[in-house]
Amino acid sequence: GESVGLHLPTLSVQEGDNSIINCAYSNSASDYFIWYKQESGKGPQFIIDIRSNMDKRQGQRVTVLLNKTVKHLSLQIAATQPGDSAVYFCAEDSSASKIIFGSGTRLSIRP
Amino acid sequence: ETGVTQTPRHLVMGMTNKKSLKCEQHLGHNAMYWYKQSAKKPLELMFVYSLEERVENNSVPSRFSPECPNSSHLFLHLHTLQPEDSALYLCASSQDHRSGEKLFFGSGTQLSVL
Repeated sequence: GESVGLHLPTLSVQEGDNSIINCAYSNSASDYFIWYKQESGKGPQFIIDIRSNMDKRQGQRVTVLLNKTVKHLSLQIAATQPGDSAVYFCAEDSSASKIIFGSGTRLSIRP
Repeated sequence: ETGVTQTPRHLVMGMTNKKSLKCEQHLGHNAMYWYKQSAKKPLELMFVYSLEERVENNSVPSRFSPECPNSSHLFLHLHTLQPEDSALYLCASSQDHRSGEKLFFGSGTQLSVL
């Protein structure tokens, strides 16, 4: 079946630096991609999404990049703050199959 | 808060107990979902409801029984669970169940089966 994977299970970043979380997907028919943030004791929270007709989308301090050629998705967080500590999930969606979540990357912030 | 409320937040039950998880969404959405989140595993979709009708059942054991009395409420009835069913159970909602709709999650019920 289709799967979504993450390159690294953990990421440690110095406070104030930029964070980059990567995700690989395998279903070339996926046309909608979402990043979620899950803090301890909470459910996943929507951060940003992107559709396959775009290759970049920016939000507040976050940017998602989509490279359909290599089936790669990344989340960039600018000026990482302690409140950014969480597990980040990517997810892929298509009209032909249900949404699939990755296993998550844990982001920790060094003071 | 995301507009999706789950109760209880924590639940400990024995294998012979019967309990229910409750979810309520205040977003006016038409679709609701149950997901299971186990340690170090991706989110697993259990059930999908659209306008109170079940549209997907992902081969979930019959000891899990969902109920959707209206588009704002979703229950998960639990009966004779196994220790391996211990996990975080997440409810979510979306505008509808088609692809391309973002999910809004509750905080989950942390279930421990003894």
